[in-house]
Amino acid sequence: GAVVSQHPSWVICKSGTSVKIECRSLDFQATTMFWYRQFPKQSLMLMATSNEGSKATYEQGVEKDKFLINHASLTLSTLTVTSAHPEDSSFYICSASRGGTDTQYFGPGTRLTVL
Amino acid sequence: AQKITQTQPGMFVQEKEAVTLDCTYDTSDPSYGLFWYKQPSSGEMIFLIYQGSYDQQNATEGRYSLNFQKARKSANLVISASQLGDSAMYFCAMREVPRGGNTGKLIFGQGTTLQVKP
Repeated sequence: GAVVSQHPSWVICKSGTSVKIECRSLDFQATTMFWYRQFPKQSLMLMATSNEGSKATYEQGVEKDKFLINHASLTLSTLTVTSAHPEDSSFYICSASRGGTDTQYFGPGTRLTVL
Repeated sequence: AQKITQTQPGMFVQEKEAVTLDCTYDTSDPSYGLFWYKQPSSGEMIFLIYQGSYDQQNATEGRYSLNFQKARKSANLVISASQLGDSAMYFCAMREVPRGGNTGKLIFGQGTTLQVKP
């Protein structure tokens, strides 16, 4: 149990376009989902926390107008990178939790390359 | 502010030997959770082991054990009988105290790359 999927697993896009990444909890209801960004050989950096039905809470330094997060249901959260630029190229990982002291279950990640 | 520190960027270990990956943390909260994750080259984050701040005994999960020294604020991961498949990046993480029923954030250390030699 506690499986989280991400789609797509990788995406290549042109500079200036928008890209949407989906994060789904397949066998449980996730009241909270997290979005992380990871550069090569570096640690995971939390971008934002989203709770179902409410606005996402962004970490300091993360542009909320550039990284749009929607958590419309208990099994789906989306991250949209708007007007992507090469510096947005990174590995994006989501995690999901049932809330409280429940652990975070991670998705397999999405590798974004912006040309 | 909470902080996690992993001071070993890279480690080598001979196959079948044990290895310890260091992790120190800093927090003023009396209640917290400590996690270790493995990230192979595929990128997926694999949960290995968890230690609660009030747990009396050190956590163990198969070949993984957590050497929890609360007074020293350290939570080192010990992998016994290393296997070639253990080669990966390992992250120590601390969970903030959950607020309002929401899951607390995870704060990750810098990571340690472990290479197991045949």
